[in-house]
Amino acid sequence: DGGITQSPKYLFRKEGQNVTLSCEQNLNHDAMYWYRQDPGQGLRLIYYSQIVNDFQKGDIAEGYSVSREKKESFPLTVTSAQKNPTAFYLCAKGFPQHFGDGTRLSIL
Amino acid sequence: SQQGEEDPQALSIQEGENATMNCSYKTSINNLQWYRQNSGRGLVHLILIRSNEREKHSGRLRVTLDTSKKSSSLLITASRAADTASYFCAASGSARQLTFGSGTQLTVLP
Repeated sequence: DGGITQSPKYLFRKEGQNVTLSCEQNLNHDAMYWYRQDPGQGLRLIYYSQIVNDFQKGDIAEGYSVSREKKESFPLTVTSAQKNPTAFYLCAKGFPQHFGDGTRLSIL
Repeated sequence: SQQGEEDPQALSIQEGENATMNCSYKTSINNLQWYRQNSGRGLVHLILIRSNEREKHSGRLRVTLDTSKKSSSLLITASRAADTASYFCAASGSARQLTFGSGTQLTVLP
């Protein structure tokens, strides 16, 4: 897995619900990233973090939140404010970036 | 913002043939990277070319960069069925953030 693990592989969200996607890395990289991929499209940056307790918004941060309390963990919460959350979510670390295998989020 | 754009969007070739994909970007870069994505999986880093380099090789991969035209190309020689995947270019500026194109879907027929 290149030292980065995403879970779960599939996730379903009900109307009005917040859901959290997990991303864990074991190779002590400072930089971590979250991307969203829609069918047939490239990746769009949601949030990134260069250091513990600090993170920056990417191009499409609205409706999402993150935390970086530990170096190895960078969870992404898809809030109820994100009206079109159905997508493939990818977490990455380091430079060049190494990616996890993604979480596919769907609406129930 | 989607800085990189790949061309063609889809490419179908026979095993053993070469595959060429092109990428254009809009602003100044520090480097340009190419990634591969198999269906339903994460991206795998293939090669990085710096802004002061014009050509780089890695195994069956050859990447060129023309900063005056803001374009790059990825050549895969002697393609195999296992090369079937989507290929993305990603432009990197000073902040080390990547801006991805929409990808080229390569199909290699046995």
